[in-house]
Amino acid sequence: NAGVMQNPRHLVRRRGQEARLRCSPMKGHSHVYWYRQLPEEGLKFMVYLQKENIIDESGMPKERFSAEFPKEGPSILRIQQVVRGDSAAYFCASSPRRGNQETQYFGPGTRLLVL
Amino acid sequence: GNSVTQMEGPVTLSEEAFLTINCTYTATGYPSLFWYVQYPGEGLQLLLKATKADDKGSNKGFEATYRKETTSFHLEKGSVQVSDSAVYFCAPNWGGGSNYKLTFGKGTLLTVNP
Repeated sequence: NAGVMQNPRHLVRRRGQEARLRCSPMKGHSHVYWYRQLPEEGLKFMVYLQKENIIDESGMPKERFSAEFPKEGPSILRIQQVVRGDSAAYFCASSPRRGNQETQYFGPGTRLLVL
Repeated sequence: GNSVTQMEGPVTLSEEAFLTINCTYTATGYPSLFWYVQYPGEGLQLLLKATKADDKGSNKGFEATYRKETTSFHLEKGSVQVSDSAVYFCAPNWGGGSNYKLTFGKGTLLTVNP
C-alpha cells in the first residue's frame, strides 16, 4: 500500500507566480489535512478536507490560498501571487476516518522557495 | 486555548546514552497524544501514540506514558543510536469539534554522535 504522495518535492517560484501543490492520500483514505512548517518551527494546521468538501480552513490565510479535494484526483493546495513569506514546507496527511484517536499519515512534503 | 510545550533543543548525546524529551500540554479535556519523528529532508512518521490516561505507547525502543495528573507525555529511550538523529514532535489531538486537528510542539532536534 503506497503511502501519501506529494509532488513536486521541491518548487521554486518567483514573487507573484502561482504555486500548485498536489497530494494523493493513501488508498482508502478519504480525509486529507494540510499543514505548513515554517523554518525552525513546528507544523501548523491549515485545512481539512473530505472528498469534494472543505471541512475546516481556519488555518489558511484568507487571501491567495485555496484548497480542494475533488471526487477524482489528488488534493490541491493553491497559492496565488506568492510572496517570500510563503517559503515553507507544506505537508499533506491522510487518514481513513475522522477522530482524535486516528493516526494521520504524512507525505514527504513540498518545499516551496519563493525568490 | 490549547497548547503544547516541548523541551527545547538541540539535544546532543553519545551513542547508548539515555534520552528524555519532555512534553506537556494544557489540561483541557483528554486529548490523544502522539509523537512524530522527522528525519532530515523527509516527512513526519508516527513514532508512537497513547489515547487515554496511563496508556504507554512504544515503538523502536522509544516509550511514552500518558500522565493525566501531570499533563505530560515525555518521550524516553534507554539507549540511543546514531540513526535516531532526527527532529521529534509532540502532538496532541484535543478532539471535540476539532477532532481532526493535530497541534504540534516546536520540535526537538536530537543529534546522536558515535
